[in-house]
Order: sequence, then structure tokens, then C-alpha cells
Amino acid sequence: QKEVEQNSGPLSVPEGAIASLNCTYSDRGSQSFFWYRQYSGKSPELIMSIYSNGDKEDGRFTAQLNKASQYVSLLIRDSQPSDSATYLCAVIEGGGSQGNLIFGKGTKLSVKP
Amino acid sequence: DGGITQSPKYLFRKEGQNVTLSCEQNLNHDAMYWYRQDPGQGLRLIYYSQIVNDFQKGDIAEGYSVSREKKESFPLTVTSAQKNPTAFYLCASSTGQSTNEKLFFGSGTQLSVL
Repeated sequence: QKEVEQNSGPLSVPEGAIASLNCTYSDRGSQSFFWYRQYSGKSPELIMSIYSNGDKEDGRFTAQLNKASQYVSLLIRDSQPSDSATYLCAVIEGGGSQGNLIFGKGTKLSVKP
Repeated sequence: DGGITQSPKYLFRKEGQNVTLSCEQNLNHDAMYWYRQDPGQGLRLIYYSQIVNDFQKGDIAEGYSVSREKKESFPLTVTSAQKNPTAFYLCASSTGQSTNEKLFFGSGTQLSVL
């Protein structure tokens, strides 16, 4: 069974700080990686996807991928209280663009005003 | 507005009862999925369907059944064989051409046992 590991948190950061969320995965052949945000009692929403080694930036969010270390992270700059949510890392099982998504258990982020 | 509609929002099941969760989408998506989420846990795949009249088991299909008679609809039945059904159930869809693409989620159904 392929695994995706995340620290469950909670991760608490002050408003305006950088929040760093980390994820490791077991399937060395995985090529596609995603970060979903889930507010309490709501459904997940996709905020970032990354497929190549390095950094990908979108507004205040930066995804970082290191396939050699089997590690993907999400940085949130200038954190806001509205960023308080659970962040789920997801990886497509196996190589290529097909295959089921394997989700981590999520990291709960709390941004304090 | 296009989207995925799940109903009901809350559902209670009695011992030995089968219950059906509804999922309807008007996004013209080919692929539909059912996930289960337990508190503090990630999403686990129950069943998925890439095309009408075809579906495959996910990682935790035991005690569940599905049908895909129409493109728009993918109902999930939680049978009496599922001994621990209390969870948050999420339906999702995608165009199905590639799993690199975004999954669209419904708002979820919270199922509890009476």
C-alpha cells in the first residue's frame, strides 16, 4: 500500500508569518502531487499542483518538490487567519498521469491574529 | 451553476439498515468518485467510475455498493455489512481524461449510526 505521510499538527503560526507544511510519499514512481485545503466540515479544494522538481509559486502559496528525497512541501507566505484549515497532500499512485489519488491525513494549520 | 450536489447533508442509519447517499453532477464529467473521511484522517477511495455502466473498487469497497446508470449520477449504498459506517462521505468528479486534473468535490454527507 502506497503511503503519504504528513504531520497532523496542529501547526500554529502568527499572522503574517510563513507557514511550512511538509509531506513525504513512499511510491518513488509518483509524478503528480497536489495540495488541497479543507475547512472544518467542508469539502477539500485544490490549491496547488506540482509535477516537476523545484518550486512553483501561485500568489502567497509556493509548492516545492524534491523527487529524490520523495518530499513535497507547501509554503504559505503572509499567513492570514482565513488560512486556518487542514491541508491535505495527495499523490497519484504509480507513474504517469493516470492512477488513483492517495491522500495524506492532513496537517491542521492555525493562524493566530 | 455547474457543480456536484450531494444529499442528504446528514444521514442516520439504524442497525442492519441499508442507506443510499446521492451524488449528482451537471459538469458533464465522465469520472466520478466516492471517498470516506474519518476524523483526523485523509480521504480513502471507496469506488470510482470512469464511464457510464462501469465502476471499480477502491481501497475500502467492502460493505459498499454503487451504480452508474447515468453520467450525471453515482449513488453510494452503505450496506448492513459495513460495520463501522460513521464517517464523512465525499463525492467527486473530473473529466476523467487525466488524474492530473482538478477533482471537483460535493459538500459531503455526514453519516452516523443510531
